[in-house]
This record gives sequence, structure tokens and C-alpha cells, in this order.
Amino acid sequence: EAGVAQSPRYKIIEKRQSVAFWCNPISGHATLYWYQQILGQGPKLLIQFQNNGVVDDSQLPKDRFSAERLKGVDSTLKIQPAKLEDSAVYLCASRRGGAQETQYFGPGTRLLVL
Amino acid sequence: SQQGEEDPQALSIQEGENATMNCSYKTSINNLQWYRQNSGRGLVHLILIRSNEREKHSGRLRVTLDTSKKSSSLLITASRAADTASYFCATVLYNQGGKLIFGQGTELSVKP
Repeated sequence: EAGVAQSPRYKIIEKRQSVAFWCNPISGHATLYWYQQILGQGPKLLIQFQNNGVVDDSQLPKDRFSAERLKGVDSTLKIQPAKLEDSAVYLCASRRGGAQETQYFGPGTRLLVL
Repeated sequence: SQQGEEDPQALSIQEGENATMNCSYKTSINNLQWYRQNSGRGLVHLILIRSNEREKHSGRLRVTLDTSKKSSSLLITASRAADTASYFCATVLYNQGGKLIFGQGTELSVKP
């Protein structure tokens, strides 16, 4: 079974530019998460999708971050415009069933904003 | 703020020794999970313990959960250099869609 795929793996941009990350979850996994991990900290949830609907986006900075999962499979996370403090690793995870099941994480996209 | 706090923040041991990491949390949980993260890589799920369980084993890993103290510990026995990584505990609350709330992590270094 293929794992969670993410691209790109690395991205360097200047502040005020825009950037987009892509995630392809494990086949058949209905739930998809985006986490932000700042260096030295644990991951923090940005947004959770159930199929193509948003379940939780309470910690997503909606003035600059947006995410979609139009067909209930792939997802994109966008930042526009980026700030220096957005430098982090962006992790995508997916889960097949209920809350007791394991979340599987992708390798992450490491973003550096200069 | 983060739900979980881990202790110690960093741990350095010799190969063959046991490593113990602790995690405390603040509110009632559905389950608690431990993850490993190697430098520059994604998170790997190690073990899940439910709120009605007290202890679980998986290979060289032993996890305990004390809901009265709101704490958990991860024990890695007979450590290897390949165990060098950051270890995170993450809690899942009730009625929160299964989202993980991570602690700050423990950075483990196992010297050969």
C-alpha cells in the first residue's frame, strides 16, 4: 500500500510571495489532515477534512491560508501572502476510519520564507 | 497551548540502555499515541493506548497510561543507535474528530 505523498519536499520563497503544497492520501482514507510543525515544536493541526468537507479549521489563519479537497482525494494547502513566521514543515496525514484508528503521515514539505 | 508536555526535552544514552520518556496532559482523552520522527522526515506511528487501557507492548516498546495522573510513559528497552529520533506523544480527545494534539517532543540520542 502506497503511503501519503506530498510535494514539493522543499520550497524557498520570499515573504509576501504565495506557495502551494499538494497531498495525496492513502487510497480509501476518508479523513485528511494538514499540520504545521515549527522547528523544535510538535505538529499543530491546521485543518481537517472528512471526504471533501471541512471538519475543523479553527486553527487555520484564514487571512492567508486556504485549503481544499475538491474531489475528496487530493488536497492542496496554499499560503498567500507568506510571512517569515510561516517557515515550518507542513505535514499531511490521512486516516481510514474512526478516531481510534492510526493517522499516517507523509514526509512533509519544508518551507523557508526569506 | 499544547495539550501534552513531555519530559525530558532531551535524553542521551548509550546503546543497550533503556530510555524512558514521559508525557503529561490536561484534559480527558479518548486515546494517547506515540510517534517517532527522524530528522527531516515524517512522523511514524509507534503505538496507541486507549483510555481504558493501562499498559501496551510492541516489540521493544512499552507504554503505560495513568488516567488519574493524566500521564503516560514510553519505555524503549535495549536501545539502538537507530532509535535516535524525536519522540512525540499525542492525545485524541472525545468528539474532536480524531485530531491529534501533540506535545513538544523528547529528543533521544543513542550513542553507539
